[in-house]
Amino acid sequence: GAVVSQHPSWVICKSGTSVKIECRSLDFQATTMFWYRQFPKQSLMLMATSNEGSKATYEQGVEKDKFLINHASLTLSTLTVTSAHPEDSSFYICSAHDRAPNEKLFFGSGTQLSVL
Amino acid sequence: DQQVKQNSPSLSVQEGRISILNCDYTNSMFDYFLWYKKYPAEGPTFLISISSIKDKNEDGRFTVFLNKSAKHLSLHIVPSQPGDSAVYFCAASLSGGYQKVTFGTGTKLQVIP
Repeated sequence: GAVVSQHPSWVICKSGTSVKIECRSLDFQATTMFWYRQFPKQSLMLMATSNEGSKATYEQGVEKDKFLINHASLTLSTLTVTSAHPEDSSFYICSAHDRAPNEKLFFGSGTQLSVL
Repeated sequence: DQQVKQNSPSLSVQEGRISILNCDYTNSMFDYFLWYKKYPAEGPTFLISISSIKDKNEDGRFTVFLNKSAKHLSLHIVPSQPGDSAVYFCAASLSGGYQKVTFGTGTKLQVIP
């Protein structure tokens, strides 16, 4: 089946630094990828929709200047958390839409970000 | 505003018995519903889905029931196995697609051997 690879699986960084998370669709092309965020014991909240070759669409309340999304190719989307702060510590998950034949949504394994 | 709700944060079931996980939604425009299984520190994996034109979909040990008038769906797992222990998320989307999916808060299922 289709696979979405997310890297890194966990990262610890100092406050004020930037962190880049990669999401790759390994055996299919994904014109659209999605970035979610999950706090402990809470639901996965959609942050933004990443569109290949165009600007990402951010959900209400998500700062686009803080969470930079780049979808430069049909198999790669990146999320950069800029000037990270402890409150940005969370579990970030990407997903990609497999257009054929089943049009399923596949998820990466997630990235646990801890900002000190 | 939580449009998809799973009111039971946890559920314990004996191995071999039926597990029933419930989900309610408020947006009547949702027309596609999905269940995902998630282990700690991993991404969700798709389990089963149902279109709003159906009221039941079955796949092996997993069956999803949809009651549109009540805006309620449920996932039945029978027989339950210890490997089913995980967090289960109910999710819903608009326009029959998988694209923008709204997740519930999850129910942690523990299957006791």
